[in-house]
Amino acid sequence: QKEVEQDPGPLSVPEGAIVSLNCTYSNSAFQYFMWYRQYSRKGPELLMYTYSSGNKEDGRFTAQVDKSSKYISLFIRDSQPSDSATYLCAMSSNYKLTFGKGTLLTVNP
Amino acid sequence: DGGITQSPKYLFRKEGQNVTLSCEQNLNHDAMYWYRQDPGQGLRLIYYSQIVNDFQKGDIAEGYSVSREKKESFPLTVTSAQKNPTAFYLCASSPSGDRGHYGYTFGSGTRLTVV
Repeated sequence: QKEVEQDPGPLSVPEGAIVSLNCTYSNSAFQYFMWYRQYSRKGPELLMYTYSSGNKEDGRFTAQVDKSSKYISLFIRDSQPSDSATYLCAMSSNYKLTFGKGTLLTVNP
Repeated sequence: DGGITQSPKYLFRKEGQNVTLSCEQNLNHDAMYWYRQDPGQGLRLIYYSQIVNDFQKGDIAEGYSVSREKKESFPLTVTSAQKNPTAFYLCASSPSGDRGHYGYTFGSGTRLTVV
């Protein structure tokens, strides 16, 4: 079993839809959970991070962590064409990040 | 503005040649990292360095070498021993402390193609 599992998609939704992206993990030592957004041929940029379990909201984005289930989610409300990108989950243990494979999202106008 | 600069953006290499990818940061970060990204594979860690003159192998270090002579610089050499070097290479840096977990900054990447 890989340390971090993420459905690569691709995921295609109409503008305005609610998007749900998910990752599961197996390493109980992970304490920080991040979501990165990566546009084509660019480096990833941090969207949100969460420490331990719980929810965190930032504008149209909500990150959820359920450590008991080893499951994290990113919700995007009122999705926009500019949200079209690859979304990578990442988790930290000993300051090293382990990434999911990324989910390619396309928001159609 | 502070950030990470990777150069060149595109690089072509003939089989059997070594090439060096440049990574420079002016964020005063202690740690620096090299990742490789292949389609459908996510980011895989090649090497990392938490302090000048020290570095450790990541998950896929074979065929690569690095140096960390200055805090700002962490060049990656792709040697002829790397069997499948065509990929997108990303450099990152992070500060010390708790922000070291989530405070990664990535460069814009170098796309290496073997011809």
